[in-house]
Amino acid sequence: DAKTTQPPSMDCAEGRAANLPCNHSTISGNEYVYWYRQIHSQGPQYIIHGLKNNETNEMASLIITEDRKSSTLILPHATLRDTAVYYCIVRVDGGSNYKLTFGKGTLLTVNP
Amino acid sequence: DAGVIQSPRHEVTEMGQEVTLRCKPISGHNSLFWYRQTMMRGLELLIYFNNNVPIDDSGMPEDRFSAKMPNASFSTLKIQPSEPRDSAVYFCASSFNAGAPQYFGPGTRLLVL
Repeated sequence: DAKTTQPPSMDCAEGRAANLPCNHSTISGNEYVYWYRQIHSQGPQYIIHGLKNNETNEMASLIITEDRKSSTLILPHATLRDTAVYYCIVRVDGGSNYKLTFGKGTLLTVNP
Repeated sequence: DAGVIQSPRHEVTEMGQEVTLRCKPISGHNSLFWYRQTMMRGLELLIYFNNNVPIDDSGMPEDRFSAKMPNASFSTLKIQPSEPRDSAVYFCASSFNAGAPQYFGPGTRLLVL
């Protein structure tokens, strides 16, 4: 699976949009971009994933660049409860590919 | 949906004792995973089951660790004998199939004294 690069930490004001970047310059054509987060003392939580089109769900939006070498997770209106470590993971989707490799992620701190 | 259920949430034991962690996956999910998280090593996959069959146990640290999945709704991770270095948070996760998004339980915080 392709490696990802994320900033170690970011700050965001409550109520503002949080934009978390991820670089995955070695991504292959059949690899998806996944985002998980881990709130302190809780298990990792699946947020969203996509291949090349932008995706949106009730939690967040995922913007993938046209060359697919980077992506941005957007939390449109960040709240204090969104403070967490956010992990960007690239992997082949479906089939028997079960591995999910977590890196160090980005610690997002939402400030009041 | 209840999500993935793990028990106990916290466990404190003494070195040499047997520890059993339990997991109930989300109904309808056929893939189950056990992970361990420590500050030093991050989140590591210990073992993966598909349709109740262990597929990949290469992450199990040593023979003291064993995992079973007797049916689709229950799995255990056992450590016997436990050692202080086993202290960690153990997560169970399940997914609809092997390549689908994984949903994690709240974890079991294990402290071995």
